[in-house]
Formats: sequence, C-alpha cells, structure tokens
Amino acid sequence: GESVGLHLPTLSVQEGDNSIINCAYSNSASDYFIWYKQESGKGPQFIIDIRSNMDKRQGQRVTVLLNKTVKHLSLQIAATQPGDSAVYFCAENANYGQNFVFGPGTRLSVLP
Amino acid sequence: EAQVTQNPRYLITVTGKKLTVTCSQNMNHEYMSWYRQDPGLGLRQIYYSMNVEVTDKGDVPEGYKVSRKEKRNFPLILESPSPNQTSLYFCASSLGQGAWGYTFGSGTRLTVV
Repeated sequence: GESVGLHLPTLSVQEGDNSIINCAYSNSASDYFIWYKQESGKGPQFIIDIRSNMDKRQGQRVTVLLNKTVKHLSLQIAATQPGDSAVYFCAENANYGQNFVFGPGTRLSVLP
Repeated sequence: EAQVTQNPRYLITVTGKKLTVTCSQNMNHEYMSWYRQDPGLGLRQIYYSMNVEVTDKGDVPEGYKVSRKEKRNFPLILESPSPNQTSLYFCASSLGQGAWGYTFGSGTRLTVV
C-alpha cells in the first residue's frame, strides 16, 4: 500500500475498545475543523466536521470534541473495528480561508 | 457516483520530461485544489482554483502549473519534472473554499528518476 508517513504517531487499540485520537492546532483564529481518514492506497476521506461555535459533535460511532481554550481537537471512535485501521488527519481553516492546514496524522492500528 | 478522478494512479518518468496529471470531478464543485503528500511533511497545497479561469498558488507551487478551462477539470502540469517532485499527489474539490470539506481523488504516485 501507499506510505503516507514514516514517522507518524501510532495508536494501537484492541478491537471493540474505544479510540481517542488527538490533534493540537496553533491558529487561534481557526474556526472550522475536519477529521479525515486515509486508508492505505486511498485518498483522505471526510469523517466529521465541527465549527468553533460548538464543543462537541457526534456522528455514527464517532465524536469530535473541540477545546478552543487549549486549541485541542479530538476524535473518539466507539467500538473500534478492523476497518477503522487507517491514518487520521485533522484539518483547520480560519475565516473561510483558501487553505486548510492539515495535521501530520496519527496511524490507528486495530488489534484482533 | 460523486467522485474526483485522477489519472494516472502510478507514473514513473525521467527528469525533464513534461507530464500532466489529470483531475476531473462530477459534483459541479467550484473549488478545486492539488496537494502533495510526503513522509513527515503531511499534505501541502500546491495550487487551487476558486472557479473557471481563476487559479492561485498554494504553499509549494514551484515547478508546477495548473489550468482551469472548464469547471470539472483541473490538470496539474510538470513542465520539467525533477526528482524532488517524487511524491504522492491528490486532487480535491469542494463546494467552496474554507466552508466545506474536500472530496479527494485516489492519488497519483509519481516517481521522477
């Protein structure tokens, strides 16, 4: 498969456990955040987004938490499954800017 | 099916030989963008386009050109490829800049020898 990062932080979890992936951002003006999932050999895929007027947003098995005070974003995956194994990126945007800034990514490995 | 289609998926070329990577989207998106992805550096924006005939540089535009003659297509052109352009390239599109997430293509793995 494609190599998307040789020095990524790695999180290993047992199948069925919950996963928490963290992301720190630096721009205090960022007001829109997205989590992407990238499986081997594929492009990043949109998972969930959150705007700065919210602290929490839930999707199907995923929850994103935003702490603007410490500029921290997290992605929680409930009941992690083998299909969740991938690299997860956070992306931030400020004031409808022309560019999303992507984090370095975290590789999630789900153990049987 | 709504998608962004890139071609080719894999390409090996020699230094200096002009090449084009095509990108097409079928979602009537106004905004399109090219990224390169390198180990340890993440996704970096090369060029973007807010609409037909409107293009602008991203963070790493040197050595690349783009064009947006029609809404659905946004080709990436390397006039004289060099080995430091060996990378994984992604095309992405969205309804508008900064307000919605991107739909990414499947990627083009380019090797310049």
